[in-house]
Amino acid sequence: DTAVSQTPKYLVTQMGNDKSIKCEQNLGHDTMYWYKQDSKKFLKIMFSYNNKELIINETVPNRFSPKSPDKAHLNLHINSLELGDSAVYFCASSQASEAFFGQGTRLTVV
Amino acid sequence: RKEVEQDPGPFNVPEGATVAFNCTYSNSASQSFFWYRQDCRKEPKLLMSVYSSGNEDGRFTAQLNRASQYISLLIRDSKLSDSATYLCVVRFYGGATNKLIFGTGTLLAVQP
Repeated sequence: DTAVSQTPKYLVTQMGNDKSIKCEQNLGHDTMYWYKQDSKKFLKIMFSYNNKELIINETVPNRFSPKSPDKAHLNLHINSLELGDSAVYFCASSQASEAFFGQGTRLTVV
Repeated sequence: RKEVEQDPGPFNVPEGATVAFNCTYSNSASQSFFWYRQDCRKEPKLLMSVYSSGNEDGRFTAQLNRASQYISLLIRDSKLSDSATYLCVVRFYGGATNKLIFGTGTLLAVQP
């Protein structure tokens, strides 16, 4: 039973399109995150939610809109995709200590 | 300056070698510290937490120096399976904020 699952695993799309990535955790954690890992492998925090409330927005363009319908889900919607959005996007959840990551979504914008 | 800095490597070492990674962090209010491991094209996974008194888990030893804002990881008797990227991670709590900040990672390649 996967603890943090995100879909899709791969996403190839054209510039200008809108796409969503879904994330679900079955660990009962209060905090969920979205991270972006670029081609240089740097993992950068984008958003953090605690009990469905946004607590961190790390100067991400407003084309990126997270949505947390409940504390087990944190989805990421991206409008007007650009070439520079190509990266691996990781969802994670944590309680007090370690974070558990989903397998990542490899987004390629062409 | 990045909040968490690491030497990106790569560190190329023979099997059986001892290798050490270092990490510095800029926010003195940081409160929890970890080492994560990330294999190629996989998600990061917790390797070990880092405690002020230092801690050991088998061949792995982690140290924290709060005064110098410095974290280290020592791997003894390296195995081929240790080849991965090692990520230094700092948790920062501030008001409602609860952030896990990752370093850029250090790539380790253990050679036969």
